Amino acid sequence: NAGVTQTPKFQVLKTGQSMTLQCAQDMNHNSMYWYRQDPGMGLRLIYYSASEGTTDKGEVPNGYNVSRLNKREFSLRLESAAPSQTSVYFCASRPWGSGDYTDTQYFGPGTRLTVL
Amino acid sequence: SQKIEQNSEALNIQEGKTATLTCNYTNYSPAYLQWYRQDPGRGPVFLLLIRENEKEKRKERLKVTFDTTLKQSLFHITASQPADSATYLCALPVYYGGSQGNLIFGKGTKLSVKP
Repeated sequence: NAGVTQTPKFQVLKTGQSMTLQCAQDMNHNSMYWYRQDPGMGLRLIYYSASEGTTDKGEVPNGYNVSRLNKREFSLRLESAAPSQTSVYFCASRPWGSGDYTDTQYFGPGTRLTVL
Repeated sequence: SQKIEQNSEALNIQEGKTATLTCNYTNYSPAYLQWYRQDPGRGPVFLLLIRENEKEKRKERLKVTFDTTLKQSLFHITASQPADSATYLCALPVYYGGSQGNLIFGKGTKLSVKP
């Protein structure tokens, strides 16, 4: 079980360039999430997908788009990168149901993105 | 709107002592609260969940309390070790668009345990 995987691990972009961050989970989880983590700001939710076929905005969705490709994969796209999007991006997943371990989220290792 | 605060950005303690981290929240009555651990360069890892009807929960050297009157959770690590050095995040469930299962996170407390 690889858990939640993210690619790439590091990326440097120039302002205006586009890129897609990939996330996949092999735990058969229903819900998936994209967060960004900035110093002094903590983790903030960008978009989430409660189940396959649905996506919704989180706290900071501007400048991003997402695709829930199938149950396993959830990608985050930056159409025109800006320096303000320099951050560490984490993908997470959560299984279906309610309980001590189904109410928790399982995180990937992160993608460190720098926009020059 | 809901607000979650972890009072200390950093906490330094000596090995063997008990570390106590605080998480406060306002404008909210959560059904549960979670604690995560994050090591440098890695994603957060779930540690414990405590529900509103539970006063205390333990897991090995970890203990979490949940006071819904004070709107506060305390996270204790007893007999702390240098390997416990990490950033600890508290998290509460929040509802976006009627969907359950989303979390808001505190900014974290960086714990350093000195030998």
